[in-house]
Amino acid sequence: DTEVTQTPKHLVMGMTNKKSLKCEQHMGHRAMYWYKQKAKKPPELMFVYSYEKLSINESVPSRFSPECPNSSLLNLHLHALQPEDSALYLCASSPIVGQGGTEAFFGQGTRLTVV
Amino acid sequence: AQKVTQAQTEISVVEKEDVTLDCVYETRDTTYYLFWYKQPPSGELVFLIRRNSFDEQNEISGRYSWNFQKSTSSFNFTITASQVVDSAVYFCALIRGNSGGSNYKLTFGKGTLLTVNP
Repeated sequence: DTEVTQTPKHLVMGMTNKKSLKCEQHMGHRAMYWYKQKAKKPPELMFVYSYEKLSINESVPSRFSPECPNSSLLNLHLHALQPEDSALYLCASSPIVGQGGTEAFFGQGTRLTVV
Repeated sequence: AQKVTQAQTEISVVEKEDVTLDCVYETRDTTYYLFWYKQPPSGELVFLIRRNSFDEQNEISGRYSWNFQKSTSSFNFTITASQVVDSAVYFCALIRGNSGGSNYKLTFGKGTLLTVNP
């Protein structure tokens, strides 16, 4: 079962709201990722978790707060976002970070609109 | 630094035509991995292929084929007898293979929007 599930699929939030994006995988992968994708652009890496620990933060503003409660789940907590944060947020997982360039499996993403 | 160039921003073909999507990459690494992903309008990136830098064999999978040429730093993707369902954005990507460094990070090209018309 090669599947990464993200919820919700769509989210509209105000600039003062707090919301969370959720990602789940049951492939036994030990690396999980958050990407941000603006329209007509490639995905940009935000965070990397390896064995449930945050290993990479690509200089992401603190209004984005990731969390990895266990090896299957990855959350992205959102607070005080700006309209320019509106984008498709993609979660991905891979067996392990880096080794062998193993392919990452992506979810369908959450389309976030900040109003 | 790594770089992936997909010079074709948009391609439009009629169903059953063959189409080739170009990908040119730059890296100083001797070990690296190349990927193609498909992104339909639904948003999910669908993995298509991974190729390591030591394997220049071309690959065919059904209507899809890939041509990897290290001499020209290219990893082109051909769809034979295209179908409407092939309409999507296609991304070529590269990741470093060396231990340490940024071997966790996919470097994506800007993508090619393929439209297959009936």
